Amino acid sequence: DVKVTQSSRYLVKRTGEKVFLECVQDMDHENMFWYRQDPGLGLRLIYFSYDVKMKEKGDIPEGYSVSREKKERFSLILESASTNQTSMYLCASGLGGGTEAFFGQGTRLTVV
Amino acid sequence: GESVGLHLPTLSVQEGDNSIINCAYSNSASDYFIWYKQESGKGPQFIIDIRSNMDKRQGQRVTVLLNKTVKHLSLQIAATQPGDSAVYFCAENRQGTGNQFYFGTGTSLTVIP
Repeated sequence: DVKVTQSSRYLVKRTGEKVFLECVQDMDHENMFWYRQDPGLGLRLIYFSYDVKMKEKGDIPEGYSVSREKKERFSLILESASTNQTSMYLCASGLGGGTEAFFGQGTRLTVV
Repeated sequence: GESVGLHLPTLSVQEGDNSIINCAYSNSASDYFIWYKQESGKGPQFIIDIRSNMDKRQGQRVTVLLNKTVKHLSLQIAATQPGDSAVYFCAENRQGTGNQFYFGTGTSLTVIP
């Protein structure tokens, strides 16, 4: 079974902190994604990566950055956390080319 | 603007009845669609997919119908069970956008025992 693992289920951080969300996949997928999920808004793409050290902005990249130094790991970075970044963050990976994406269990981040 | 959306945000059905969840999309370049199920506290899980060269695909108790003429997608769940209670999302993969998926806002399905 494909496994996408996010390092934390729940996080509480203070405004202004630098926050790292980590995601690891074990299926050698080229593509990895970070989404945030908010009530009534569904899943919105923040960033995605189609190869090591490659990244592309999604629909809502402002306030976020990403890092992909190794194929299996994709990190989401909040440079200076703000309360409007309180959300559920979902990582996904896939082969691309019109195939499904597999999701992690999500990280619920609260910024206070 | 472009959108992937669902007609109804909530749906309640009796256990044993069939469920139909609908999704509208506006980008005619979309060529691959997926239905995901998300249970409380979990990430979305793949249910079934369909490509634009098909109009129907069946799985175990689930069927996806694609009507490209009106840009409409539906998920049918037969003999709905309490374990089917979840939020269901449709997602589209648009040609020319690499491997991005665009998600609808989701429909919350509640199965009444």
